[in-house]
Order: sequence, then C-alpha cells, then structure tokens
Amino acid sequence: EDKVVQSPLSLVVHEGDTVTLNCSYEVTNFRSLLWYKQEKKAPTFLFMLTSSGIEKKSGRLSSILDKKELFSILNITATQTGDSAVYLCAVDDDYKLSFGAGTTVTVRA
Amino acid sequence: GAVVSQHPSRVICKSGTSVKIECRSLDFQATTMFWYRQFPKQSLMLMATSNEGSKATYEQGVEKDKFLINHASLTLSTLTVTSAHPEDSSFYICSANSEGVRTDTQYFGPGTRLTVL
Repeated sequence: EDKVVQSPLSLVVHEGDTVTLNCSYEVTNFRSLLWYKQEKKAPTFLFMLTSSGIEKKSGRLSSILDKKELFSILNITATQTGDSAVYLCAVDDDYKLSFGAGTTVTVRA
Repeated sequence: GAVVSQHPSRVICKSGTSVKIECRSLDFQATTMFWYRQFPKQSLMLMATSNEGSKATYEQGVEKDKFLINHASLTLSTLTVTSAHPEDSSFYICSANSEGVRTDTQYFGPGTRLTVL
C-alpha cells in the first residue's frame, strides 16, 4: 500500500529559527511530490518537485527531492509567527494525491 | 488566483439524515474535481475524483451509494452524505482544476466541517 510519512509530527520554535520538515514516501507510480501549507482550512500550494537534487525556493521556504532515497525536505529559514501552520506533503501517484499526516509547526514570538 | 468555495462551511445534523455539500469554482471552469476527507490529526484522504458530465471514480473503501457525487456543470460539484452517522463526522475538502488531472494545479476549497449527532 502506498505510504507518505512526515516527521516530526509537530515542533515548536521561536521566531528567527530555521526548521526542517521531512517527508518520505513509497508509491507505485511516482509523478511528483508536492508541499502544502494548511492554516485551519484549505491547503495552499507551496512547491511541486519532480527531479532529484534541484532545490525549489520561494522566499524563506525551500525544498528538495531525493528520488533515490525517496524523501523530500522542506526548509523554512528565519521563521515568523505567520509560518505557524500544518505543512502537508503529498505524492502524485498516477494523478492521485496521497497525503502525509502533516507536521504542525508553531512559531512563538 | 483561482478560487474554490464550499458551502456550507459547517453543518450539524442528526443521525440518519442526508447532507449535501457544494463545491464551486468561482473564476474558472473545473474539468476535474476531487473530494477529500480529513479526520483530526490525520491526512487528507482522497474519496473520489469526478469529471464534469461523467460518473465519479471512487477510491477503494469509499461507498459510492453513501457518498453521492454529482459534477453536473463545469463550476459545481456536490457531495451528498446519505443517511449520515456519527462516524461520518469529519472535515470534507474539495479541490478543482481546469487542466485535466494535473495535480500541481489543484485549488482547494475551504472545507466543510460535518458533525453528525
């Protein structure tokens, strides 16, 4: 059965800290890996990764994929309280998304 | 950016009743819509995929007679939970895209919190 596992399940940091979120996966027909941010309601799209070793960046967020070891990391630098959210990793398995349970990030002022 | 709305945002109903949840794409035509269910502290689980004008494709373990999906137009899909029971209480989220089944262009609705008493 396909599986997407995120770690840690939750973490608490202070503003300015850097966080690293992990996502490992095991799917049959990998097409891409996606990261989302979920704040109370709808997930919002952050990144889509299809190739190993190519870092995607957007402001203070960056992400990279390792297709050999089947994992991805999401980094957030200089965290702010507005970064507090659940970060979801999802894998496109033949056009269907399988989600991990998410990592809850709490950034304290 | 593309906007997807859901209605209602929250619903409380008695066991045995049916509940209809609407998902609308407000500024684009959604050829494909997805319905997910999210239990507390758990992943979003894909329930079904629907394409406008055709029957929905349900994921394994999802009862199609219990969760009726209608994608009657390019801007509206509905999920009806029939004869709801307390175990159906969950957060239901839809997503939509306009380019077939490309997953990087899925836009999520705000979700509907269903509580069955």
